[in-house]
Amino acid sequence: AQKVTQAQTEISVVEKEDVTLDCVYETRDTTYYLFWYKQPPSGELVFLIRRNSFDEQNEISGRYSWNFQKSTSSFNFTITASQVVDSAVYFCALSEGDQAGTALIFGKGTTLSVSS
Amino acid sequence: GAGVSQSPRYKVAKRGQDVALRCDPISGHVSLFWYQQALGQGPEFLTYFQNEAQLDKSGLPSDRFFAERPEGSVSTLKIQRTQQEDSAVYLCASSLAANAYEQYFGPGTRLTVT
Repeated sequence: AQKVTQAQTEISVVEKEDVTLDCVYETRDTTYYLFWYKQPPSGELVFLIRRNSFDEQNEISGRYSWNFQKSTSSFNFTITASQVVDSAVYFCALSEGDQAGTALIFGKGTTLSVSS
Repeated sequence: GAGVSQSPRYKVAKRGQDVALRCDPISGHVSLFWYQQALGQGPEFLTYFQNEAQLDKSGLPSDRFFAERPEGSVSTLKIQRTQQEDSAVYLCASSLAANAYEQYFGPGTRLTVT
């Protein structure tokens, strides 16, 4: 069973629109970590955020915000007032347990295209 | 400081050839991971090192894949007798400490097997 599901394959918006990228995860562990990464056309994955399973506070960083809801096993990512430079593939990832060196389990990614 | 670097950035190999992909992690980073990313997919875990010890190689798809990190710094992923299904981007990531969870990724090596 897929552990991280990003149902939106591609999203296209016009600059200044708000956009939300969905992420649903599945795990039996009580301790886990959730991540978002950005992969621009250059290919390098850029770390955006890490959230642990015990912290359900929403987080805002500039135009980025994240909504973590354990009740629905979701960790959604919103970009406010999108810009062309936000165009990239965005990956949600899960790390289970609290052992060092646990691999990241990635979703298939959502391709975001922002046009001017 | 420098990020994770990988070389070569692009590699074309004929089926049956051996290839070696290099990863230079961020200086001082204890943990090192290799992932394989097929076209249009998310990265998939291959193997993990803590210093020079390979603690998890459960993601290596076959015994043709071999990774090493002999001095706990630079790592090499070797693929023997390459096959077309090995075509993918190979990503290396490092993290600061054994109990640190943010992984910082390199630009990847795009391997094409013809």
